[in-house]
Amino acid sequence: QVQLQESGPGLVKPSETLSLTCTVSGGSITGYYWSWIRQPPGKGLECIGYIYYSGSTNYNPSLRSRVTISVDTSKNQFSLKLTSVTAADTAVYYCARPRLGLAAGKDIYYFDYWGQGTLVTVSS
Amino acid sequence: DIQMTQSPSSLSASVGDRVTITCRASQSISTYLNWYQQKPGKAPKLLIYAASSLQSGVPSRFSGSGSGTDFTLTISSLQPEDFATYYCQQSFSTPWTFGQGTKVEIK
Repeated sequence: QVQLQESGPGLVKPSETLSLTCTVSGGSITGYYWSWIRQPPGKGLECIGYIYYSGSTNYNPSLRSRVTISVDTSKNQFSLKLTSVTAADTAVYYCARPRLGLAAGKDIYYFDYWGQGTLVTVSS
Repeated sequence: DIQMTQSPSSLSASVGDRVTITCRASQSISTYLNWYQQKPGKAPKLLIYAASSLQSGVPSRFSGSGSGTDFTLTISSLQPEDFATYYCQQSFSTPWTFGQGTKVEIK
């Protein structure tokens, strides 16, 4: 059973950089895409971006200028850095696995494994 | 970005009721549509992928349908553990986007 666990500071000051790591256990990070998703308190879900185990990335254009997602296959981890944070970046941050599945002859991505989420508050 | 709009935003229902939630995409997404259930303080859980395929381990009272721009999640007989918020999500094009959620509450 694949498990994901987020780790990192729960409080970040405005204008600083938010850094989180997701550790994957129960399976290899190799061969899959890995993603970061966030949810502001009481609001909906937003995809931040994803990374392939080889290092190729895809970022949400709304955050692209501030986001970096990286992977460390030797540690079975991937990470998120978000620069110049403001209060609007306060959210629960989830790591998740976008699995490529096959249905009705089509390839489709869906999030099959999620971390428990970690609340990051941006405040001085 | 593809906008996903769910309706209603919330609903009240009783145990045993049939519940239907609708999700509309701002452009055609074929069947690249997934449904998730989220309970308070927990991560979302995958219910349905590719509009109508039931994820392994999910009870058969959950079903999905639709294609193009209009999709439906149906719970055939609502159970106490089904009170939660439900999200649709498109994976037709990046950035993958979610609906705003539908909260199912106890009547």
